[in-house]
Amino acid sequence: KNEVEQSPQNLTAQEGEFITINCSYSVGISALHWLQQHPGGGIVSLFMLSSGKKKHGRLIATINIQEKHSSLHITASHPRDSAVYICAVRFSGGGADGLTFGKGTHLIIQP
Amino acid sequence: EAQVTQNPRYLITVTGKKLTVTCSQNMNHEYMSWYRQDPGLGLRQIYYSMNVEVTDKGDVPEGYKVSRKEKRNFPLILESPSPNQTSLYFCASSHRDNYGYTFGSGTRLTVV
Repeated sequence: KNEVEQSPQNLTAQEGEFITINCSYSVGISALHWLQQHPGGGIVSLFMLSSGKKKHGRLIATINIQEKHSSLHITASHPRDSAVYICAVRFSGGGADGLTFGKGTHLIIQP
Repeated sequence: EAQVTQNPRYLITVTGKKLTVTCSQNMNHEYMSWYRQDPGLGLRQIYYSMNVEVTDKGDVPEGYKVSRKEKRNFPLILESPSPNQTSLYFCASSHRDNYGYTFGSGTRLTVV
């Protein structure tokens, strides 16, 4: 079964700390997405990656296709970064199309 | 403004009473999909559509129907809702399927 594993499940850090959230997957993919969900439920797409690295403001996402692993980094974290971060992949090859999701990382940044 | 609009945001209904959750996008996206989100299980795909009149099952399609008669709309139909369909539902769209997704605001459904 194609799976997506995220770690850690929960993370509490102090404002200003460097944050890393990890995502690993079981087989080849055509794309990996990082999503953010704030309390209250709305989901925002942060990045879509198929190789390399992307940066947007204080957020950086990397992917290593050979190791089947991606990381989301937050520099100079702030309480407004508190949210659930979800990794989602589109597996390549046959079978049902669409996204398979990790269970999310619940991040709390304390002032 | 580019967006995916879901309605209603909240719905409480009774077992067996047919309901429809609407989803509409204004970005001319080909790809649309429905997901449900449950505590401990995360997001799971219900149905998706690659284009008009093309729909297919995701991981948890039982008890749901969809249709894609127009490019902008992708309603989710529960013909006979049951309490195990109580969940938070999201619609999403994208160009083809390797571009960033835009999600609707979610529909919190309670079936009693």
